[in-house]
Amino acid sequence: EVQLLESGGGLVQPGGSLRLSCATSGFTFASFTMSWVRQAPGKGLEWVSSITSGGGTYYADSVKGRFTISRDNSKNTQYLQLDSLRAEDTAVYYCAKRAVPGKFYFEYWGQGTLVTVSS
Amino acid sequence: QSALTQPASVSGSPGQSITISCTGTSSDVGTYNLVSWYQHHPGKAPKLLIYEDSKRPSGVSDRFSGSKSGNAASLTISGVQAEDEADYYCCSHAGSWVFGGGTKLTVL
Repeated sequence: EVQLLESGGGLVQPGGSLRLSCATSGFTFASFTMSWVRQAPGKGLEWVSSITSGGGTYYADSVKGRFTISRDNSKNTQYLQLDSLRAEDTAVYYCAKRAVPGKFYFEYWGQGTLVTVSS
Repeated sequence: QSALTQPASVSGSPGQSITISCTGTSSDVGTYNLVSWYQHHPGKAPKLLIYEDSKRPSGVSDRFSGSKSGNAASLTISGVQAEDEADYYCCSHAGSWVFGGGTKLTVL
C-alpha cells in the first residue's frame, strides 16, 4: 500500500523559514517524480514544485527563488525548504506521487501539513 | 498559466447524475490527453478519479466518468451518493501543472 506522510508544518513569521518532509512507503521511491501541491484557505489546489527521479527540479513562478525541493532516496523521503515566507504562502501543503514516467497525473497524495505564515 | 475554470458548486439528489465542467485553453486542456480529476474530502488526501481525460484507475467506481471536447473537459457522476459530497478538481499538464478552482458537490 502506497503511503505518503507529510510533516514539518507550523506557524512561522513572515520572512521566516520552514522545512517540510514527506516520508513514503509502498513503492520504489527512487523511480518516481515527486511533487508538492498546496491549498490556501478557501482556495483551490496549486502546484508548487516537482523533482524528478534524476533530481531535476521545477517550480511555480510564485515560489521560484524562495522554495527548494529535494529528495533523499535512501530515506524514501522528499523535502520542501520554504524560505522568505509570505502571508500568501499560508496553505495546506500536500505531497503527491506522480504516475510512471511519461504519464502526467498525480497517482497518490498525502493528507497534508498546514503552514501558517503570520506575525 | 491561469487556473482552469470550474463552477464553484453543483448539487444533486441521490441517484441523479451530475456533470462538472472544466474549461481551459488550447494551450492546456485542448492540448494532448492530459486532463485528470481528483476528489477531495476536506481534511483527507485528494484521490485520483480520472486520468488522461477519460481513464479510470482500478478501484474507482464506474459511476465516475470523464470526457473532453476541444478546450473543455467534464466529469460525470452517475447515481450520486451521499459519500460523493466533496470538492472536485480538474488538472491539466502542458509544460507545467494547472488546476481548476474546484467544485463543491452537495448531495441534497
